Order: sequence, then C-alpha cells, then structure tokens
Amino acid sequence: DAMVIQNPRYQVTQFGKPVTLSCSQTLNHNVMYWYQQKSSQAPKLLFHYYDKDFNNEADTPDNFQSRRPNTSFCFLDIRSPGLGDAAMYLCATSRGRSSYNEQFFGPGTRLTVL
Amino acid sequence: AQSVTQPDIHITVSEGASLELRCNYSYGATPYLFWYVQSPGQGLQLLLKYFSGDTLVQGIKGFEAEFKRSQSSFNLRKPSVHWSDAAEYFCAVGAEAAGNKLTFGGGTRVLVKP
Repeated sequence: DAMVIQNPRYQVTQFGKPVTLSCSQTLNHNVMYWYQQKSSQAPKLLFHYYDKDFNNEADTPDNFQSRRPNTSFCFLDIRSPGLGDAAMYLCATSRGRSSYNEQFFGPGTRLTVL
Repeated sequence: AQSVTQPDIHITVSEGASLELRCNYSYGATPYLFWYVQSPGQGLQLLLKYFSGDTLVQGIKGFEAEFKRSQSSFNLRKPSVHWSDAAEYFCAVGAEAAGNKLTFGGGTRVLVKP
C-alpha cells in the first residue's frame, strides 16, 4: 500500500543534542509537510516543500531545519532541542499545493527531550 | 487569516448513541473544510472533506458533516457511535491562497461509555 512512513516512532534526545527525524513516502507526491503537535493541541505547520521549493512558516523557530534530498524523503533537523520542543512531529504529503489536494499523514514521531 | 474553533474540548457519549461535533470557521472566501480523526499515538486520518456542491458530505466510518455557510459551521455527525470511535477529532480549513496550508481547530476528544 502507498503510504507515509516516519522513523523512528519514538525518539529520545538530550537537551541541546541535535536530532533528525525522517519521513518517506511511496505516494510520489510533490508536496511534503512537517507539523508539530504538542500534547492536547492541534497540529501546527512548521514548513513544507513543493518539490525542491522550501516554504518556511513565519513563526517557525530557526532551530528547526528541513532537507528534502529527493521526492521520497524529507528530514526534520532540530539543531539544539529544548524542553519545549518535546512533541509529536507529523509528516504529511499531498499531490499538489491546491487545497483541493488531500493531505496524507504519517503515524508521527514522538520526541522526548531529557 | 483563516481560523477554526471547536467549542467542545471533551464529549462523552454512550455506545450506540448519536454524536455531533461542532466546528466553526472563519475565512474570507469559499472554504475547503476537512474533518480528521486521530487515535492515541497515531497520525491523522481524513474522515471527509467539503469543497463545493452538496452541503451534506458523507465520509468514512459512517460519519457525515453538513456545511452551513450562513452559520460558518461544518458540524460532524454519526448516528450510532461504536467504542472504536473514541479518539480526537480535528476540524480544519484549507487556504487556497496559502499553498494548501491547513489550519486546525483545537480538537474534540470523544470518550465512549459502554
């Protein structure tokens, strides 16, 4: 089945230690998104890629970076995680940027910062 | 800018009873509206979506939603709830002008009593 895969499902890191979260997709979609979801809150968009075109949300901290080496993979890098970065990180994909295109979500990576 | 309000943070319903989750949106143009469900520790799954046309939309798992432009609402309903419907439900609005950015409501957590 075509899907969105996130690895690892659970990630523990130390305060200030860089961490990378991975997302891959078999849907061949052009757009990939990263959302942050804190406990009992709605998902919040961090940034998205339309093909290789990177689009950062205005309020996304500089501590968060992303890479998309090819169509299938997208990475979220947190350069110096703080306690406030503990959250579920959701990757999503869509065929195009129009709101007509459904977003397909992965299962998420739960990040713990010690 | 678009916004979404889900007035009910928690709802408890008995198995077999009907369920209605409220969603109000604010958006200057014709909205694209979505309902997603999130089971504990999982990603988001699309239940249904409204783009145009018939204001009563059928989705998966027996859910339906009705778009009411005059009330800026998009309420989700299910006639008879199953224990497996216990989850968090998110209403979202898509902004065509913002590159398919989804803005989510705060979510409603549904508990199902036996």
